[in-house]
Amino acid sequence: EAGVAQSPRYKIIEKRQSVAFWCNPISGHATLYWYQQILGQGPKLLIQFQNNGVVDDSQLPKDRFSAERLKGVDSTLKIQPAKLEDSAVYLCASRTTGELFFGEGSRLTVL
Amino acid sequence: AQKITQTQPGMFVQEKEAVTLDCTYDTSDPSYGLFWYKQPSSGEMIFLIYQGSYDQQNATEGRYSLNFQKARKSANLVISASQLGDSAMYFCAMRDFSGGYNKLIFGAGTRLAVHP
Repeated sequence: EAGVAQSPRYKIIEKRQSVAFWCNPISGHATLYWYQQILGQGPKLLIQFQNNGVVDDSQLPKDRFSAERLKGVDSTLKIQPAKLEDSAVYLCASRTTGELFFGEGSRLTVL
Repeated sequence: AQKITQTQPGMFVQEKEAVTLDCTYDTSDPSYGLFWYKQPSSGEMIFLIYQGSYDQQNATEGRYSLNFQKARKSANLVISASQLGDSAMYFCAMRDFSGGYNKLIFGAGTRLAVHP
């Protein structure tokens, strides 16, 4: 069974530029999560989708971050404009029941 | 609000010995779940073990066991017979049902180094 796929693995941008991350969850997983993991910290939930609807985006900085999950499968997380403090690993996860399955993450460096 | 605390930023252990990684939690929900994940340098979060709040027995998965003490609100991970490949970050997490949907909240993690 294929795992959660994420791309790109690494991205370096200048502050105020934009970036987009893509996630393809495990087939059949209705719930998709985006987490932000700053170096030395645990992952923090940014947004949660149930099928193609947002069920929790309370910690998403909506002035610069946006996310969508078209057709309830793939998801894209966008940051525009990026700030230095957005440097982090962005982890996508999916689940049906039980534990979350994570992708390898997308590491963003903002210079 | 629910909270997970991992007080050990780093731990080291000799190969083949056992090690305990601490985790305490805070919740007012009577039903909850606790998870441990391993994050090697590659970055992927790997699920290790799960304990439900109503489970009578402590969870075990191979060399991993969970020392669940409900009254103390602790869920420590015990790794027996440590191997060099166990060197990684370890995160304790709690399932949060607030808002009617499952999500995980994570602690800050513990970095484990296994020495030969």
